[in-house]
Amino acid sequence: RKEVEQDPGPFNVPEGATVAFNCTYSNSASQSFFWYRQDCRKEPKLLMSVYSSGNEDGRFTAQLNRASQYISLLIRDSKLSDSATYLCVVNRYGYALNFGKGTSLLVTP
Amino acid sequence: ETGVTQSPTHLIKTRGQQVTLRCSSQSGHNTVSWYQQALGQGPQFIFQYYREEENGRGNFPPRFSGLQFPNYSSELNVNALELDDSALYLCASTLRSGTQETQYFGPGTRLLVL
Repeated sequence: RKEVEQDPGPFNVPEGATVAFNCTYSNSASQSFFWYRQDCRKEPKLLMSVYSSGNEDGRFTAQLNRASQYISLLIRDSKLSDSATYLCVVNRYGYALNFGKGTSLLVTP
Repeated sequence: ETGVTQSPTHLIKTRGQQVTLRCSSQSGHNTVSWYQQALGQGPQFIFQYYREEENGRGNFPPRFSGLQFPNYSSELNVNALELDDSALYLCASTLRSGTQETQYFGPGTRLLVL
């Protein structure tokens, strides 16, 4: 079983829609959680860290459920520019990042 | 921008050859990690260097080796290239704040092995 699992999609949604991505992780010792965004043929870029209390950054909301080992990302009012692959990432302090395979999002006009 | 640079941007090699990829990270980011990202996959951890010593390694064979230099630059060397080594190679430098770590990625080197 892979350490981080994501639905690869693709998710095709119209502009203005709300879309949610889910991710599960297997290592209960994981301490830090992130969502990275990766555009086609580019490097991953940090979108946001994920905290147990949940956190929001504009149209993006991330949630963490440690008991269920589950992470989510909600994007409201989708824009064309949100089209990308979203990578769920977990790690333990001092260790490497563990990436999911990514979820592909395409926002259409 | 992350302040992490990589060279070259693209590279074509043939099986059996050797390749050296380079990374320059931000001043003060004394941890550098290398990842391999095959098409359609998430990045996979190769190894990590801290203060010029390897301090963690993923499931990659010894023909993948690295170096880190005092000026925050580093290298990834791959010997005896195989077709499956074709991938995007990413370098990331780490910023630590308390117990929170954030890794910032360079633009990557796209390697094609023929």
